[in-house]
Amino acid sequence: EADIYQTPRYLVIGTGKKITLECSQTMGHDKMYWYQQDPGMELHLIHYSYGVNSTEKGDLSSESTVSRIRTEHFPLTLESARPSHTSQYLCASSHGTSGPDTQYFGPGTRLTVL
Amino acid sequence: RKEVEQDPGPFNVPEGATVAFNCTYSNSASQSFFWYRQDCRKEPKLLMSVYSSGNEDGRFTAQLNRASQYISLLIRDSKLSDSATYLCVVNSRNNDMRFGAGTRLTVKP
Repeated sequence: EADIYQTPRYLVIGTGKKITLECSQTMGHDKMYWYQQDPGMELHLIHYSYGVNSTEKGDLSSESTVSRIRTEHFPLTLESARPSHTSQYLCASSHGTSGPDTQYFGPGTRLTVL
Repeated sequence: RKEVEQDPGPFNVPEGATVAFNCTYSNSASQSFFWYRQDCRKEPKLLMSVYSSGNEDGRFTAQLNRASQYISLLIRDSKLSDSATYLCVVNSRNNDMRFGAGTRLTVKP
C-alpha cells in the first residue's frame, strides 16, 4: 500500500464556499500531482509540483490553486466552489527520478457542490 | 490526436477467457510504459511496468512495440476479480506521465 493520504474522503458543500483538499505523502517523493476525474471518465491533470516551492498547471484548466511549502504536503484550494467543480479529485506522488517514475495515488476526495 | 489512446470497450468476457488490450502512443520519445488498474470509484493502482523485451506477471503479459508505438496487455484465464478499468500510461521525455482514458473489462461467470 502507498503511503499517500487524502482528506476529506467525501465533501458536500454549498456554492460559494472556500475549500481545501488535503494531500500528504510519507514516502519522501519530490513530485506530486492533482487529477480530476468524473465518474467513468478519464483522469485529467490539473496541477503538479516538482518539489518545494514548485507548482505548475496541468493539461486541464482549473479554478483551483495549489501550494507546496513542505515536501510531504500538497493541498488544493477552491476559493469559491461551484456545482461545476463536483468531481473526484485524486492526488498522486512519485520519486521524480530519471528512470521509470511510478505514480502512487491517494484514495481520492469525492466533492459535491450543491 | 490524444497522446495516449485506448479502446474504451467495454470488453465483456466469460470467466477463463483470454483478453488483450492495446494502447497506442504518439510521442516516439516516450521512455517508460505502465499498465494501471482502476476499480469502480477507487484510485488507480499500478498493475505492471512494461519493459522493452516484454514481461509477464502471473496471468498478465505486457508487450511493447516501439516501431508501431503501441503497448499491449494480455490477461489469461480471466477471473471475476479482473473486472476493472485498465489504464495505459506513458512517460514522455521530461517524465510527464500521460494516462489513457482506460479500457473497461467485465468478466462474467
